[in-house]
Amino acid sequence: DAGITQSPRHKVTETGTPVTLRCHQTENHRYMYWYRQDPGHGLRLIHYSYGVKDTDKGEVSDGYSVSRSKTEDFLLTLESATSSQTSVYFCAISEGGNEQFFGPGTRLTVL
Amino acid sequence: AQSVTQPDIHITVSEGASLELRCNYSYGATPYLFWYVQSPGQGLQLLLKYFSGDTLVQGIKGFEAEFKRSQSSFNLRKPSVHWSDAAEYFCASKHSNDYKLSFGAGTTVTVRA
Repeated sequence: DAGITQSPRHKVTETGTPVTLRCHQTENHRYMYWYRQDPGHGLRLIHYSYGVKDTDKGEVSDGYSVSRSKTEDFLLTLESATSSQTSVYFCAISEGGNEQFFGPGTRLTVL
Repeated sequence: AQSVTQPDIHITVSEGASLELRCNYSYGATPYLFWYVQSPGQGLQLLLKYFSGDTLVQGIKGFEAEFKRSQSSFNLRKPSVHWSDAAEYFCASKHSNDYKLSFGAGTTVTVRA
């Protein structure tokens, strides 16, 4: 399995609070991605990174920001969490931008 | 923009029976195509991929998929399912010079004894 960890694995927070999710890889892959998974929607891309400090928006980026200061870490921040952001969040990595390998996921509940 | 359609939300199959999951993509050129499997509470695992060449590709866990350009399809098959194949399956596609995947909504497979 690709060396990808996500932290925390579970989090419950309240509406309006900031939340940061961390994705850490040991593969030295160039590309990193954040997705959210909701029933009936499959996986939807939030943000992605194609190198250190190089990031771009995906299809559902509103309310989210990301940062990548090191190759191995990709952070996803919800500046002010809302109930609509309750979801399971997956990080993925890719060496050449083709096949992606996924982390174990973070289950986030916003009350 | 690319889109991926998985027409079947849920499929139930008997253990030992064959399985076929449908996937259709919308894109003019030949896309790169993938199938992933997700067991309950787990992340996604890559089953197989198609970039070019032989249109029948073999993957892990005894799965195969066939690319049919005329039907814009990339259906996943397994000749004989095991109870451990109960999971959710996702088809995904990308353009050859892009690095973002588009996912279908997924098909949940239930295996009955």
